[in-house]
Amino acid sequence: GAVVSQHPSRVICKSGTSVKIECRSLDFQATTMFWYRQFPKQSLMLMATSNEGSKATYEQGVEKDKFLINHASLTLSTLTVTSAHPEDSSFYICSARRRGAGSGELFFGEGSRLTVL
Amino acid sequence: QQQVKQSPQSLIVQKGGISIINCAYENTAFDYFPWYQQFPGKGPALLIAIRPDVSEKKEGRFTISFNKSAKQFSLHIMDSQPGDSATYFCAASTGGGNKLTFGTGTQLKVEL
Repeated sequence: GAVVSQHPSRVICKSGTSVKIECRSLDFQATTMFWYRQFPKQSLMLMATSNEGSKATYEQGVEKDKFLINHASLTLSTLTVTSAHPEDSSFYICSARRRGAGSGELFFGEGSRLTVL
Repeated sequence: QQQVKQSPQSLIVQKGGISIINCAYENTAFDYFPWYQQFPGKGPALLIAIRPDVSEKKEGRFTISFNKSAKQFSLHIMDSQPGDSATYFCAASTGGGNKLTFGTGTQLKVEL
C-alpha cells in the first residue's frame, strides 16, 4: 500500500525555538496533504489542508503564522511550529491523498510527537 | 453540524467476542464514512469505509453497518482478538473523503 513518512517521529525542543516536521509520500504523488493535531487520548483535529504549489487552507482557530505549512512538491509537505511553547506539545499527524486517486484514498503518516520544554 | 459523535469511549471485550462501536452524525452532506485503527504512538490506519448507497460492508472480521435515515453507522469486529486492542475512530467527510471529521475515539481492549 501507499506509504506516508513523517520525520522526525519525536522531537524535543526548548520554548521559543522553531521546529520543522516533514511529511513525505514515498511511492505516490500527493496533490493534497492534511495536517492534524492530536492531544493524548483525544481525537484528531484538522489543522490545515496543504495543496501543492499554493497556500495552505487553515481551519478556524489555527494560527497560520504559528503553524507554517509548505507544500513545495508533490511528495513533500512541511509543518513548521514557530516560536514553540509548551502548549504546542502534541502529536502531529499528516495524511496524503494520492494524485488522481478515487475518492477516499487518504494515507496517514506515523505521526510526530513534539515536546516543548 | 460537522460533529461526529462516537460511543462508547472505552470498551472491554473478551477474546472471541464481538466489539461494537457506534457513531452518529448530523451533516446529511457527508458521503464517505471510514473507520480508522490507531495504536499508541502511531498514525491511524484505514480499516474499512462505506458510502451511503449501501447499508453494510464486510471485510474479513470487520463490518460496517450504515443507517442513512438514522444518520448512524457502526463498526462490528467479529471474533475479537487481543491484537485488536487499539483506539478506533470513525470519521465522515463530504466531497469524496478528503477533509475528514473524526469521532472522539473508542479505546478497545480485548481480554484473554
